[in-house]
Amino acid sequence: DTEVTQTPKHLVMGMTNKKSLKCEQHMGHRAMYWYKQKAKKPPELMFVYSYEKLSINESVPSRFSPECPNSSLLNLHLHALQPEDSALYLCASSLAGGPQKRETQYFGPGTRLLVL
Amino acid sequence: SQQGEEDPQALSIQEGENATMNCSYKTSINNLQWYRQNSGRGLVHLILIRSNEREKHSGRLRVTLDTSKKSSSLLITASRAADTASYFCATDSTGTYKYIFGTGTRLKVLA
Repeated sequence: DTEVTQTPKHLVMGMTNKKSLKCEQHMGHRAMYWYKQKAKKPPELMFVYSYEKLSINESVPSRFSPECPNSSLLNLHLHALQPEDSALYLCASSLAGGPQKRETQYFGPGTRLLVL
Repeated sequence: SQQGEEDPQALSIQEGENATMNCSYKTSINNLQWYRQNSGRGLVHLILIRSNEREKHSGRLRVTLDTSKKSSSLLITASRAADTASYFCATDSTGTYKYIFGTGTRLKVLA
């Protein structure tokens, strides 16, 4: 099973709402990633979890709050978002997140988020 | 910025033709990977080439890497309409495990 699943597929939320994006993998990967992608742009790294610990935060605003409850699950909690946060949010996983590892990232299909 | 640059930004070819896209990057790398993305969906890994490799093949794909020029190319031979997608290179900096994606090439293969 080389699948990363993400829910929901689409999400519309107001600027005062609180919502969560979910990501799951059952490949035994110990590194999980959140990316943000705007239309016609490359994915931009937001967070990296390695062995359930946050190892990289790319100076993401605090209105985005990641959580890794266990090695298979990754959440992204959203609160008080702005319209410019509308984007495709991609989750990925890889075997392990250690330095100088040569690894393939497996991506989920993404959640398309619209903030009104 | 560490971000790689890809060219061309967009490419339109006829089915059966070859497609070549290029990626340039700025810092030393451990490896470089190519991904495909269909119309705003998730990325699919195509091929990984290590910094000590110069060329790699996978089916109709051929990737070259020139670390002295900090550049890579992806060749898709005998293209098909199903190859229509955006293609991204991704590089990691030596000493990190953070991948940075290039700007991407949007390929359109006309049937």
